[in-house]
Order: sequence, then structure tokens, then C-alpha cells
Amino acid sequence: AQSVTQLDSQVPVFEEAPVELRCNYSSSVSVYLFWYVQYPNQGLQLLLKYLSGSTLVKGINGFEAEFNKSQTSFHLRKPSVHISDTAEYFCAVSALTQGGSEKLVFGKGTKLTVNP
Amino acid sequence: KAGVTQTPRYLIKTRGQQVTLSCSPISGHRSVSWYQQTPGQGLQFLFEYFSETQRNKGNFPGRFSGRQFSNSRSEMNVSTLELGDSALYLCASKLRGRSWSYQETQYFGPGTRLLVL
Repeated sequence: AQSVTQLDSQVPVFEEAPVELRCNYSSSVSVYLFWYVQYPNQGLQLLLKYLSGSTLVKGINGFEAEFNKSQTSFHLRKPSVHISDTAEYFCAVSALTQGGSEKLVFGKGTKLTVNP
Repeated sequence: KAGVTQTPRYLIKTRGQQVTLSCSPISGHRSVSWYQQTPGQGLQFLFEYFSETQRNKGNFPGRFSGRQFSNSRSEMNVSTLELGDSALYLCASKLRGRSWSYQETQYFGPGTRLLVL
């Protein structure tokens, strides 16, 4: 069964500093990986996704993630964060269900707080 | 194109009551999934509907049910509410152009925040 572990529940950083949010996954089949962001009192917004091809994936708002199959990781990075990046970030893997459908399996989330 | 819309946005109920939440997917999207988000359990899959049929169900009791209409709009119902049902309920839609595809992106609505007193 697929699972996702986000190694840090909270990450505080200063504005304009780089940040890395860590995500490890477990899957016995081909993986499709996603990062979503949730701003306070809002739903989830897709940041980026890895389906196949280049292991470096670029997303919105200057974020990027690198798929590393040998380390089963999909860490999210941004070279310089802004106050507006303060939000909760979720890593997810697409998992097949018994009925042949699929669902997203999410990590517990990482709260990124950007301080001035 | 309008995004996924959910109504109501906020809801307060008491234990033992039932509640119905509504989700309108992005125009043209035929699959609707529901997720429950709580501080303790995080985001958990409830069920997915496609072509008015429930395709799959997560690990939730039978008090949680749903349905999908011919226009792809979906409702979920929770009967005999318990305090632990307090959560943000998120709906997500995707195109599902093929019979199944885990490459399609799900687009989430803003959620309905349910508080059970």
C-alpha cells in the first residue's frame, strides 16, 4: 500500500531564505506524486506534480521538486521564500484502489511559517 | 472556467443530527472525490463517484454516504453525527476522460467546515 511521510510538521524560516520541505513515499507500483498547498481557511491548490520524465519538476510560485527513485523522496524546494508562502504543504501519492479507481494518499502536512 | 464549488462553507450541527454537503465540479469533469481533513488524522479519502456510481470508498462507517447526479454534482451525507465528525470536508473533481487514470490532476474546492456540538 502506498504511504507518504512528511518528515517535518513545522518549518520556520526567514523571508528570502531558501526552504526545503521533505517528503518520502512508499509504493510498490509506479508512482505519481503531487505537492499541494493549503492557505488558511482555503482548500488545496496544486503546486506541482511528477508523472514521468524529468525528475526535476517546476511548479507555480517558484517552487520545484525533485523525484528521487532510489531514495523514494520527492522534496519540495524554493530558493527564496516570501511572507505569502506561509501555508501548509501536503505531499501526496496517487494510489490504486481495489475497484481500479485511484485516490490520493496524503502526508500529514508541513506548516511553513515565513518570518520577516 | 469556474473552479470546484462547495456549499455551505460553514455548518454547525449537534450530535445525532444529519447533514448534507454539496459539491459542484469543474464543468466537464465527471469524477468527484470527497476527503475529510482533521488535525489528528490529516486528509483521508472518503469516496469517489463517477457517472453516478460510487467507484470506491475509504475506511469510514456507513453513516457516511454520498451520491452523484447526472450533471456530475455530488452530495455527501453524514447521519447520526458524532463529535469526531467535526472536520473540513473537501471535494475534488477531475476529468476522468479514460476509464481510469491516475495521471489526472484533482482540483479541490474550498471545503465545508463542519462543527458538531
